Amino acid sequence: GDKVKQSPSALSLQEGTNSALRCNFSIAATTVQWFLQNPRGSLMNLFYLVPGTKENGRLKSAFDSKESYSTLHIRDAQLEDSGTYFCAAEGRGSALGRLHFGAGTQLIVIP
Amino acid sequence: EAAVTQSPRSKVAVTGGKVTLSCHQTNNHDYMYWYRQDTGHGLRLIHYSYVADSTEKGDIPDGYKASRPSQENFSLILELASLSQTAVYFCASSPGQGAFAEQFFGPGTRLTVL
Repeated sequence: GDKVKQSPSALSLQEGTNSALRCNFSIAATTVQWFLQNPRGSLMNLFYLVPGTKENGRLKSAFDSKESYSTLHIRDAQLEDSGTYFCAAEGRGSALGRLHFGAGTQLIVIP
Repeated sequence: EAAVTQSPRSKVAVTGGKVTLSCHQTNNHDYMYWYRQDTGHGLRLIHYSYVADSTEKGDIPDGYKASRPSQENFSLILELASLSQTAVYFCASSPGQGAFAEQFFGPGTRLTVL
């Protein structure tokens, strides 16, 4: 089965509203990365997490290794936040920093 | 200046032909990776390398070879391209593993096999 499950798979947000994306892990994740793939296809690094939280502007992410999940909170959504959000986890004992990716959450921000 | 570059950015290949995708990084990273992304899906690991002249198989290595001639360069080779290998291919580099495992991606190569 999938080692990393993302939810929801798709989401529409009104501009200015808030939302949360989630990743659940069936592996013992040690680090988590969140990426945004923009409509042109480029992958942009958002967060790199060991257990704990990080915040950057309107984005905040948390990683709980004991409960095996990570969240990405988007505050005051803007049109440029549209794209596909991926989380990826490195598993305990994984060789050489191998990442396991989720299938992504496609976000559309509506004016 | 982009730290991970890929060439070509897009390519159309014929079934049975040989395709080489190239990746170059200026991050001074030891670890490099090749992923493929199929429409509407996440990334899957094909091959990776932690040192020059050595490569490792990822989760879906069948039909692909890799070459790491130097720290900066990592190539993905499709000896006999097939229709099922139509996808977008991403290269990434990382300084290490564990607490140093943050990966940085190139812009991707869109490969279409006809």
